[in-house]
This record gives sequence, structure tokens and C-alpha cells, in this order.
Amino acid sequence: EIVMTQSRLSLSVTPGESASISCRSSQSLLHNNGNNYLSWYLQKPGRSPQLLIYLGSTRASGVPDRLSGRGSGTDFTLNINRVEAEDVGIYYCMQALQTAWTFGQGTKVEIK
Amino acid sequence: QVQLVESGGGVVQPGGSLRLSCEASGFNFSNYGMHWVRQAPVQGLEWVALMSYDGSSTYYSDSVKGRFTISRDNYKNTVYLQMNSLRIEDTAVYSCAKDGGYLGGFFDYWGPGTMVTVSS
Repeated sequence: EIVMTQSRLSLSVTPGESASISCRSSQSLLHNNGNNYLSWYLQKPGRSPQLLIYLGSTRASGVPDRLSGRGSGTDFTLNINRVEAEDVGIYYCMQALQTAWTFGQGTKVEIK
Repeated sequence: QVQLVESGGGVVQPGGSLRLSCEASGFNFSNYGMHWVRQAPVQGLEWVALMSYDGSSTYYSDSVKGRFTISRDNYKNTVYLQMNSLRIEDTAVYSCAKDGGYLGGFFDYWGPGTMVTVSS
């Protein structure tokens, strides 16, 4: 099983500032087709998770360009520019290289 | 628009069974794999099972293998999760999620979930 680790469990951000959330996998998520099978989700309070980023860096439909994903192999980052109140919630990374999909523990983002 | 609606949750004793359903709409259901994901109270997300678009392939997490069975009815646009030999640690909100398709590797829509409580 690929273990996903999000080093920070919580993050407090001032509106308008930037935030970065990191995610590390125990094995490389780079497939030989050139894609990284890493996605990011946001679970807003009381809601189901919503897809933000897939294949490491591709924004899902409707996701603002303030959010961006980067990284390859075992180290990935979700960047949020100009944080807004609507960005609060828990962010999860997930690997899909192996069929036993696994999630990180989640990083809770709060607004100061 | 895509909608996923789960049902069938409830309270069950350890060792008991439940069958969850997830009815889908707003997309061509028979073209996509469907997953079940669960979230225990105040816990993170755990992938549970996947059935391929045509039902030919199934995958399970080690924690449920041999106890849970995923199935689907492409005429009813519904995916099911039969849960047997339930344990206290199976208590969670169970959500179905649509696979991203040929690009693979992500869940692009999730249902709100149905609560399963295993308790004596």
C-alpha cells in the first residue's frame, strides 16, 4: 500500500495571503505514461469532498486559477494564492497509481 | 448536472449486514467506474471498493475484502455495496464517487453519503 503523508494537519492563513499544502507518497506516483496519479480534494464543512486537481497539476472544471498543483514522483504541493473565506476546509491528497487508492490524513485550512 | 444519491444506511449490530445503494444521474452511467469511499467520525477518507464501468472488474481495500461486495445495475444507473459481517470499525459515512474515466486517477463527483453505525 502506498502511504500518503501530509505533514501539516492544520494551517491558519490571513485572507489575501498565500498558502501551500504538501503531500508526500511512500512510492513514486509517476506512471510510465508520464502522468503523476495524484489528485487533490477539498472537503468544506458539512460537505462531501470536491475535486480540485488531478494528474498532479490539472485543475478540475470550475476551480479558480488561484489554486495550482505541482510536483512529481513523491513530492507534491497544492498552492492557494490570495486565500479567501471560501477556501476553508480540509484538503486531502490521494494517490491512484495503485488500485488500493489511498488518501493523506488531510490538512485543515482556517482563516485568521 | 451530475447527481449521486446514496441510501440504505442505518444502525446494525456487529456481525450484521446492510446493503447500500447509490443512484446516479446526469451522466452516461454505463461508461464510468464507480467507487465507494468511507469516512469514520472525525476521521479521514478511506477508499473501499471500485467496480469497472461494465462490471467486469472489482477491487477492494484489504479492510473489507471478503466481507463487502460491490455491484452495479447499468439499467437502473445504480451501484450497490453489500456489507456483511459488519464490525464496529466499519462505522462511517459511506459515499459513492464517480471515477474520472479514461484519464483515470481521480473521483470527479461524490455523493453526500449515508451513515452506517455498527453498534451493540
